[in-house]
Amino acid sequence: EIVLTQSPGTLSLSPGERATLSCRASQSVSSNYLAWYQQKPGQAPRLLIHGASSRATGIPDRFSGSGSGTDFTLTISRLEPEDFAVYYCQQYGSSVTFGGGTKVEIK
Amino acid sequence: QVQLVQSGAEVRKPGSSVKVSCKVSGGTLSNLAIAWVRQAPGQGLEWMGGIVAVFGAVSYAPRFQGRLTITADESTTTAYMELRSLRFDDTAIYYCATDMAWFDPWGQGSLVTVSS
Repeated sequence: EIVLTQSPGTLSLSPGERATLSCRASQSVSSNYLAWYQQKPGQAPRLLIHGASSRATGIPDRFSGSGSGTDFTLTISRLEPEDFAVYYCQQYGSSVTFGGGTKVEIK
Repeated sequence: QVQLVQSGAEVRKPGSSVKVSCKVSGGTLSNLAIAWVRQAPGQGLEWMGGIVAVFGAVSYAPRFQGRLTITADESTTTAYMELRSLRFDDTAIYYCATDMAWFDPWGQGSLVTVSS
């Protein structure tokens, strides 16, 4: 099983700042089959990024994904108030596993 | 546009079973795959398994093998997740999602509480 480790656990930032979230895999993720989700309290997760860097339909371009192999990054270029949430990475190259999440909170 | 609507909250006793439904609208199960993911209170996401109804293909995460059954009824465009031998730590929100390898969209979630 591929284990995904997300860091940091919590990121405290102010609106307008840049957020950089990391997702590291215990082994290489084939074909960059990695997705990112956003989850707000009381809501289902929402797909942001698939294929490591492809934005899902309707996702603002301030969200971008990058990386390959074992190291992946989600970047939010300028945090909007609605971006404070928990973010999860998921790999789907070898079965399916999720990372433990990064909470982006208001500083 | 595909939407998934799940059944309501359930309370079960330890050792019993629960069956959660996921109704698909705006699409058919003949061209969709459905995944099931759960989230314990305050915890992260855990993939449980999925189904490709048109091929009759079902996959389960190893930790749920023998205790989980995922089915689908194409005539009603509804997928089901049945978990047996419930334990207290099965208390969670159970989500279905359209499985395109990534998961999108998701149902609203169904809270299952295991309590004596």
